[in-house]
Amino acid sequence: EVQLVESGGGLLRPGGSLRLSCAASGFTFKNAWMIWVRQAPGKGLEWVGLIRTKNDGGTTDVAAPVKGRFTISRDDSDHIFYLEMNSLKTEDTAVYYCATHGDLYGAATLPYWGQGTLVTVSS
Amino acid sequence: QSVLTQPASVSGSPGQSITISCTGTSGDVGAYNYVSWYQQHPGKAPKLVIYEVNSRPSGVSNRFSGSKSGSTASLTISGLQAEDEADYYCSSYSGVSIHSVFGTGTKVTVL
Repeated sequence: EVQLVESGGGLLRPGGSLRLSCAASGFTFKNAWMIWVRQAPGKGLEWVGLIRTKNDGGTTDVAAPVKGRFTISRDDSDHIFYLEMNSLKTEDTAVYYCATHGDLYGAATLPYWGQGTLVTVSS
Repeated sequence: QSVLTQPASVSGSPGQSITISCTGTSGDVGAYNYVSWYQQHPGKAPKLVIYEVNSRPSGVSNRFSGSKSGSTASLTISGLQAEDEADYYCSSYSGVSIHSVFGTGTKVTVL
């Protein structure tokens, strides 16, 4: 069974930093692109960023609103991937989900999601 | 980042069929057959109900079906049930975004 478990959320002041983790199991982690999606309170889903497999270059892409502030990384030996968030703004307040396509689907399909972790940025 | 346009709300009575539209551009929905639909109940993570325009993951009811014409994709829920009341989001791979874009979301109400 595929499981994604996020951790690391919390209450931060504007300008602060936080690292979210997503622990994965139940699929071939090193072969999967890993994605972060967020959802502000009462709002829709928003892509945050992704990290490709080492075979695909291990490169990352992040959305324009977080470019230069958020960094994504992965540890294939521990099956964890991370979202490092710096210079946090109030508009970064959201539930952050990790997601992946797993073993059976292409990278454009996200059948597996974590339960989400809440990040609140407030003065 | 660009988003796909969905109606804010759609409603129907139990047993009826409803259709949710998802309008994109020639750079996303119109260019790729990588349209997905997600169902989200309050306080829960999104759940994939349709992928690659019209495929259903294992375990998803066959009351859910998808289609696409040009730059507009659609999700149809037939035989509407109380448990279908949720928010629905479309998503499409995009050649101009970081990977994919989400729709604005549609609240489905079962009357």
